[in-house]
Amino acid sequence: SQTIHQWPATLVQPVGSPLSLECTVEGTSNPNLYWYRQAAGRGLQLLFYSVGIGQISSEVPQNLSASRPQDRQFILSSKKLLLSDSGFYLCAWTIGRGTEAFFGQGTRLTVV
Amino acid sequence: GESVGLHLPTLSVQEGDNSIINCAYSNSASDYFIWYKQESGKGPQFIIDIRSNMDKRQGQRVTVLLNKTVKHLSLQIAATQPGDSAVYLCAGYPSNTGNQFYFGTGTSLTVIP
Repeated sequence: SQTIHQWPATLVQPVGSPLSLECTVEGTSNPNLYWYRQAAGRGLQLLFYSVGIGQISSEVPQNLSASRPQDRQFILSSKKLLLSDSGFYLCAWTIGRGTEAFFGQGTRLTVV
Repeated sequence: GESVGLHLPTLSVQEGDNSIINCAYSNSASDYFIWYKQESGKGPQFIIDIRSNMDKRQGQRVTVLLNKTVKHLSLQIAATQPGDSAVYLCAGYPSNTGNQFYFGTGTSLTVIP
């Protein structure tokens, strides 16, 4: 069966520090991968998505970047965190367009 | 498009009553929609989906209705239980070609025992 792993679950980082959140999927090949951010009491904002290794589409220009070094690995990064980067970050995968997405358990990032 | 900047609407229902949660979309080319349930501090969990060639789909205690004329989607939960308390999110693909999908603002459902 397919599973998605996302870590860490919580993270507290100072302003200006770097960030690396990792997401891996097991049990499937060539998934579409997604990063979303959710502010408190708000909806999910699509940040990046990828349809293959090295293929990244950015939805919102900001202080973050994404990479897909392997087929089932998706990484969200920042060189210097801002206070506004705080939020709940969610990774998701689909087998293709027009199919349901499966989500990781999320990372709660607090920038202080 | 996304409605991520808006505060969550709220809905309170008595235990045992039926709940109806609504979602509107703007792109008539959208061809696939999904409802998710999100509990506090967790990732969204799939509830039910529907394709644009259908008007209605039923699951266990849940029904999704799609009105393409007015671009409206609803989730009906029968005999709502305290465990149904959560945020409910609708998502859709805005076109019939792209791989990205977007979420509506969501609705926070509270079930009163």
